[in-house]
Amino acid sequence: AQSVTQLGSHVSVSEGALVLLRCNYSSSVPPYLFWYVQYPNQGLQLLLKYTSAATLVKGINGFEAEFKKSETSFHLTKPSAHMSDAAEYFCAVSDKYGGSQGNLIFGKGTKLSVKP
Amino acid sequence: DTGVSQDPRHKITKRGQNVTFRCDPISEHNRLYWYRQTLGQGPEFLTYFQNEAQLEKSRLLSDRFSAERPKGSFSTLEIQRTEQGDSAMYLCASSFGLAGDTQYFGPGTRLTVL
Repeated sequence: AQSVTQLGSHVSVSEGALVLLRCNYSSSVPPYLFWYVQYPNQGLQLLLKYTSAATLVKGINGFEAEFKKSETSFHLTKPSAHMSDAAEYFCAVSDKYGGSQGNLIFGKGTKLSVKP
Repeated sequence: DTGVSQDPRHKITKRGQNVTFRCDPISEHNRLYWYRQTLGQGPEFLTYFQNEAQLEKSRLLSDRFSAERPKGSFSTLEIQRTEQGDSAMYLCASSFGLAGDTQYFGPGTRLTVL
């Protein structure tokens, strides 16, 4: 069965500092991996996804993530945090071959706070 | 692209009442998903449709829950005899249906059962 673990339910950084949000996955088949962001009382917006092309994936708003198969990780980074990045971030995994109905398995989320 | 819309955005009901939520997916998307999100958790899969066919239901979807997608367009999720444990954000998402496709989420319906 697939699963996602996000290390750290809360992360706080200063404006301009590096953002690092950790995600480890478990999957018996090659996975698709996703990062979504959720602002308060809103739905989820896709930041980026890994679909087995380049292992370093660039997304919106300056975020990027690197797929590391040996570490089963897909950590999200941004070189310089902005106040507007404060939100909750979810890592998700999907079965590459369309099994599990193609539905997403989400981690519990990491709430990012950005201090001025 | 008008995005995925959900109605209502908020619903407060008393325990034992029935509620129905609506989701309008992106028009050309074949696949429609329902997820439930409780406080402090990530979304959890409930069910999905490929066009009008409901192809899978999670064990989270008790027999008090029913979902439909007539004509493969909008979808409704009904909860009968609501319980306090049903309080959550109900999220709808749609996609083209290929493995790895991006799922586009609606804003959600927040249900509070008193």
